[in-house]
Amino acid sequence: NAGVMQNPRHLVRRRGQEARLRCSPVKGHSHVYWYRQLPEEGLKFMVYLQKENIIDESGMPKERFSAEFPKEGPSILRIQQVVRGDSAAYFCASSPGLAGGASNEQFFGPGTRLTVL
Amino acid sequence: SQELEQSPQSLIVQEGKNLTINCTSSKTLYGLYWYKQKYGEGLIFLMMLQKGGEEKSHEKITAKLDEKKQQSSLHITASQPSHAGIYLCGADRNQGGKLIFGQGTELSVKP
Repeated sequence: NAGVMQNPRHLVRRRGQEARLRCSPVKGHSHVYWYRQLPEEGLKFMVYLQKENIIDESGMPKERFSAEFPKEGPSILRIQQVVRGDSAAYFCASSPGLAGGASNEQFFGPGTRLTVL
Repeated sequence: SQELEQSPQSLIVQEGKNLTINCTSSKTLYGLYWYKQKYGEGLIFLMMLQKGGEEKSHEKITAKLDEKKQQSSLHITASQPSHAGIYLCGADRNQGGKLIFGQGTELSVKP
């Protein structure tokens, strides 16, 4: 069984460019979470999505950041006009949700390391 | 202040020794997760605890959640170099929502 897939694993962008990070959840998982790990800081929640819906975006910066999880295809975290402070590791996690009483373990992908020059 | 406090922040132990990492919350938790992260890599799921007083073990790692569901400990028996890494506790307060993480405990095991 494939786990959570993220690509690219490493991404280099110049200031002002756009960054697109992709996440394919575990097969059968309908819930996706994005987290950011800044240098010397802990792992911080950004956004929680189900298919075609944003459930909780309380951790998303108000500007330049957006996320989607379309009916078909991977979840995308998009950062417009990147700045040096966006350099971080971005992790995606997926879970099956709580339907049927299942526990809701979140399984993490390997992350995308974004470097903004 | 951190919503989830981990201690110690770092730990160096001799191979074969036992060790304990603690995770404390000021609020009651719905669920408590333990993950391990190696440098430059993703998080490896270790265990999830949901019930007060629950204890789970996998190989040489045991995790416990107290009755009040506010404190958890991760215990490693007879540590090995392969146990080295950063251990993170994550708290689920909203039954299936986001996780809040502690700052992590960096474990080094000296051969």
